[in-house]
Amino acid sequence: SAVISQKPSRDICQRGTSLTIQCQVDSQVTMMFWYRQQPGQSLTLIATANQGSEATYESGFVIDKFPISRPNLTFSTLTVSNMSPEDSSIYLCSVGRENRGDEQFFGPGTRLTVL
Amino acid sequence: GENVEQHPSTLSVQEGDSAVIKCTYSDSASNYFPWYKQELGKRPQLIIDIRSNVGEKKDQRIAVTLNKTAKHFSLHITETQPEDSAVYFCAASNWGSTLTFGKGTMLLVSP
Repeated sequence: SAVISQKPSRDICQRGTSLTIQCQVDSQVTMMFWYRQQPGQSLTLIATANQGSEATYESGFVIDKFPISRPNLTFSTLTVSNMSPEDSSIYLCSVGRENRGDEQFFGPGTRLTVL
Repeated sequence: GENVEQHPSTLSVQEGDSAVIKCTYSDSASNYFPWYKQELGKRPQLIIDIRSNVGEKKDQRIAVTLNKTAKHFSLHITETQPEDSAVYFCAASNWGSTLTFGKGTMLLVSP
C-alpha cells in the first residue's frame, strides 16, 4: 500500500489563527480524503479532495472553515481556519486503493490543540 | 445516508479468550465492510474487510461475518493477546460513496 505522510505531526495554536496540514503520498492516487477525530471519538469525514476541482464537503463542514487544495495526485492540504478550542482534534488524511477506492489507508494524523 | 451502529463500546477479556464486536448498518445498498484497529496514538489500520458477495472471511486469528438480510456484520478475534488491545472501528460503504464509521469499541485484553 502507499506510504502516506503528514505535516505537522502536532501543533499548538492560538484561537483565531489558521493552520495548514499537508498530506503527501509516495504514489499517485485518485481518491484522497480528510477526516477529523475528536478526542475519544470516531472518524468523521470532512471532505473528499478532488484533483483539479473543488473538494466535496460533508454535511456540517464548509469550505470557508476547511479549505482544501489538491494540486496533483500525490499531495493535498487542509487548512483549519479561524480556529477555536472546539477545533482541537486529530486530523487525518486517507487515500483509496486504486480501482478499489473504498479501501482506505490513513496517514499518521496531525494532533491539533487550540488554546 | 448510511448509519452504522457498533456494540459494545468497551469489551474486556482475558488473554486467550475470544472477542466479538458487532455492527449494524442501515443502507441495504452498502456492499463493503472494513474493520480498522487503532492503537493509542496511532493511525487507524485496516485489518480485514468483507464485500457483500461473501458471507465470511478469515485471516489467522481474526474473522469477519456478514449477514446481508439482517444488515449486520461482526468481527471475531480468537485467542486474544494483550497486543490486540486497541479501539476497533467498523465501517460501511456503497460503491462510489464514502465510508461511514461506527463509534468504535475499546478492547482490553488482560494477561
